[in-house]
Amino acid sequence: ETGVTQSPTHLIKTRGQQVTLRCSSQSGHNTVSWYQQALGQGPQFIFQYYREEENGRGNFPPRFSGLQFPNYSSELNVNALELDDSALYLCASSPGWGGENEQYFGPGTRLTVT
Amino acid sequence: GENVEQHPSTLSVQEGDSAVIKCTYSDSASNYFPWYKQELGKRPQLIIDIRSNVGEKKDQRIAVTLNKTAKHFSLHITETQPEDSAVYFCASNMDSNYQLIWGAGTKLIIKP
Repeated sequence: ETGVTQSPTHLIKTRGQQVTLRCSSQSGHNTVSWYQQALGQGPQFIFQYYREEENGRGNFPPRFSGLQFPNYSSELNVNALELDDSALYLCASSPGWGGENEQYFGPGTRLTVT
Repeated sequence: GENVEQHPSTLSVQEGDSAVIKCTYSDSASNYFPWYKQELGKRPQLIIDIRSNVGEKKDQRIAVTLNKTAKHFSLHITETQPEDSAVYFCASNMDSNYQLIWGAGTKLIIKP
């Protein structure tokens, strides 16, 4: 059974640019949630994808968008990057939708916006 | 909005002693309460969770208790070891949009 993987590990972008982050879910999991974790804080929920549809969203603007593919892997896209978008982006996969299923995290992508 | 409050923000205990971290939640519909351990530069790892139909759950040196009436839950670590040093996060689910709401974290320091 393979765990959750994310790519890239680190990324440096300039303000105003766009970025795509990728996540492969754990085998047998059909749901992916994305989180933003600023330094010294807990993860903040961005959105969740279940069977290729957005299934719930936190307090993030529309420039944060996502996709889920038939193999349940997922992408997080951020447009018009701002300095405050610098953070660790975590994806978590789970065996079902909602917030009451065990979520297993990937290693994260560290995004730095300059 | 809904939130989870976590205390203390930092906890320093002598190796071998017990550590207790407490969280309170606001959404009375919450029914799932996981605890995660995050070591520096690493991913959060699920260490134990509890659902609202039970009051206590134990896994070796780790236990979680839930008081639904008071809307609080606690993590108990006994016989602490150096490898327990990390940041611990509590969370609860929010039924309305399927998200987990996270506490701000507790930095646990185990003194040798």
